[in-house]
Amino acid sequence: DIQMTQSPSTLSASVGDRVTIPCRASQSVSYYLAWYQQKPGKAPKLLIYKASNLESGVPSRFSGSGSGTEFTLTISSLQPDDFATYYCQQYNSFPWTFGQGTKVEVK
Amino acid sequence: QITLKESGPTLVKPTQTLTLTCTFSGFSLSTYGAGVAWIRQPPGKTLEWLTLIFWDDDKRYSPSLKSRLTITKDTSKNQVVLTMTNMDPVDTATYYCAHRHPRGYYFDFWGQGTLVTVSS
Repeated sequence: DIQMTQSPSTLSASVGDRVTIPCRASQSVSYYLAWYQQKPGKAPKLLIYKASNLESGVPSRFSGSGSGTEFTLTISSLQPDDFATYYCQQYNSFPWTFGQGTKVEVK
Repeated sequence: QITLKESGPTLVKPTQTLTLTCTFSGFSLSTYGAGVAWIRQPPGKTLEWLTLIFWDDDKRYSPSLKSRLTITKDTSKNQVVLTMTNMDPVDTATYYCAHRHPRGYYFDFWGQGTLVTVSS
């Protein structure tokens, strides 16, 4: 199985900050990577697919980049609604696997 | 608009079999490319993909759980059923069903999830 590593597990930031969340794959996943946002007690929400494609309805302050084994989710200006946990998921190789998540908390 | 909702028991005993139903609307599982997955999340932990069923009844299972899982669909009822045998306390988790995006193995619509606790 491909291991997805997200570090740090927690990231402290303030409203208005530019936030970058890394995700690393144990082997190349090409650009077959998705990002999800999850708030406590809620289901994950798709933000980005194919590494850099913004899902319909997702604010443009979210962007994704990377390919191969290194990926980044960027929030250009953190908003109050963005405090949540973010997961990456590879879908290049079966079985599809998720990272451990990065929680963005208030600094 | 696509919606999904999970239903089933909230508490099962060790060694019992869990059966969960996903009832969906807004798409048909007989349409080319459609798929529905089950994904779980133990309390405080990350997401784990379990299984997926395609429009043509093809199925994929997590290799680590394959011997315990069965996924089926009832297209006429817009339902997908997950069966997991020999439940253990480590299987305590929120179980989600999710719609597979037709262009990839990522999930664009999710149910609200149902917490299943395994305890005697």
